[in-house]
Amino acid sequence: AQSVTQLGSHVSVSEGALVLLRCNYSSSVPPYLFWYVQYPNQGLQLLLKYTTGATLVKGINGFEAEFKKSETSFHLTKPSAHMSDAAEYFCAVTIPSNDYKLSFGAGTTVTVRA
Amino acid sequence: ETGVTQTPRHLVMGMTNKKSLKCEQHLGHNAMYWYKQSAKKPLELMFVYSLEERVENNSVPSRFSPECPNSSHLFLHLHTLQPEDSALYLCASSQDLDRGPRNTGELFFGEGSRLTVL
Repeated sequence: AQSVTQLGSHVSVSEGALVLLRCNYSSSVPPYLFWYVQYPNQGLQLLLKYTTGATLVKGINGFEAEFKKSETSFHLTKPSAHMSDAAEYFCAVTIPSNDYKLSFGAGTTVTVRA
Repeated sequence: ETGVTQTPRHLVMGMTNKKSLKCEQHLGHNAMYWYKQSAKKPLELMFVYSLEERVENNSVPSRFSPECPNSSHLFLHLHTLQPEDSALYLCASSQDLDRGPRNTGELFFGEGSRLTVL
C-alpha cells in the first residue's frame, strides 16, 4: 500500500524566509501526490497536486512542490514566508486505480516568526 | 454556498447523549467520507460512501453510526460516546472513488465539527 512520511512535525521560520516542508512517499506505481493546508479551526484545503506531466507544480498562495521520482520525494516550498502561512500542512498520496484510499502524512505545523 | 458544509461546528455532549453530525456537499460528487482528526495523531478514515452505498467501515466502534440518504448528504449519528472520542470530525467528498486521469482523487473537505465528550 502507498504511504507518505513527513519529516519534521514542527517547522519554525522567520517572516520572509524560505519555507521547506519535506514529504517522502512509498508507492509501487506512479502516484498522485497532494499537499493540503489546515488553518486553525478549519478543514483541509488543497494547496497543490501532482498527477502526471510537469514535475514542478505550482499551487495557491505562492507554494510549489517538485516531484522527484529518483528520490521518492514531493517537498513543498515557498520562497518567502508570510505570517498567514502559519498552519498545519499535510502531504497525501493515492494511486490511479480503483483503490480510493488517500493516505495522509502526520502533518507539519508551521509557525512564522515576525 | 461553500462546497462542503458541516453542522454543527462545535458540539459538547455527555456520554449518555445521542447527537448527530451533518454534512452536505454542493459539488455534485458521488463519494463522501468521514475522517476523525485527533490531536497528535494522523487523520483516520472512518467511513466511505459511494452513491449512498457504504464501501468502507474502517473498524469504527458501533457507537458511531453513519447514514447517507443521498449523494449530497452524510450524517454521523453518535451515541454513548467516550471522552476519547473527542476530536475534530471532518467530512469530505470526491468526484468518484475510481482514480484516473479524469479523477485524481482530490478530496474536498468541510470545516469540521469539533466534538467534546464530557
